[in-house]
Amino acid sequence: GNSVTQMEGPVTLSEEAFLTINCTYTATGYPSLFWYVQYPGEGLQLLLKATKADDKGSNKGFEATYRKETTSFHLEKGSVQVSDSAVYFCALIEGAGSYQLTFGKGTKLSVIP
Amino acid sequence: DAGVIQSPRHEVTEMGQEVTLRCKPISGHNSLFWYRQTMMRGLELLIYFNNNVPIDDSGMPEDRFSAKMPNASFSTLKIQPSEPRDSAVYFCASSLALFGSGDEKLFFGSGTQLSVL
Repeated sequence: GNSVTQMEGPVTLSEEAFLTINCTYTATGYPSLFWYVQYPGEGLQLLLKATKADDKGSNKGFEATYRKETTSFHLEKGSVQVSDSAVYFCALIEGAGSYQLTFGKGTKLSVIP
Repeated sequence: DAGVIQSPRHEVTEMGQEVTLRCKPISGHNSLFWYRQTMMRGLELLIYFNNNVPIDDSGMPEDRFSAKMPNASFSTLKIQPSEPRDSAVYFCASSLALFGSGDEKLFFGSGTQLSVL
């Protein structure tokens, strides 16, 4: 079956540091890939997505590139802010007609001033 | 739009009691999902409705759990009787896009924090 593996947290960074959160996946077909973010006390929100190999998703300074050869979708940001403190979830959905998102376990990021 | 609305935000109950969680999806969305989030297991899909019809309830842990969607604007998740191992955050999410279209986007509610003592 499908699975998503994320680096374990928590991750603590100083403001303006570079962020990488690793995500690798296992899927039988050609999945779409997503990063969702969960701020404290809130539900998950879609941060970015990529639907095919070599696509780059980007939003709010975050980027992730769909790498089919390494089955990865690592999240990066060049300069984090305190407001980026949240839990980040990598997820995938298999091809046409599928409705089940498979989530990773989440990586908690704390950014300190 | 107010987004996906869940109630209550917090529920504390004693083992054996019935618990009902409520969800109002975003108007016009035709897909509704109930998820459970725990530290040990992460996010688990419990049940998926499309156009108010349950499509997949294979994630419902056991017969103590039931979910209904009587109309397009309301859904409930019921646990009867509740047990301490049911303690978790329960999320409702809705979506408009056809899954598999490449435009999938789930909108989550703020969740219900359930504690069963």
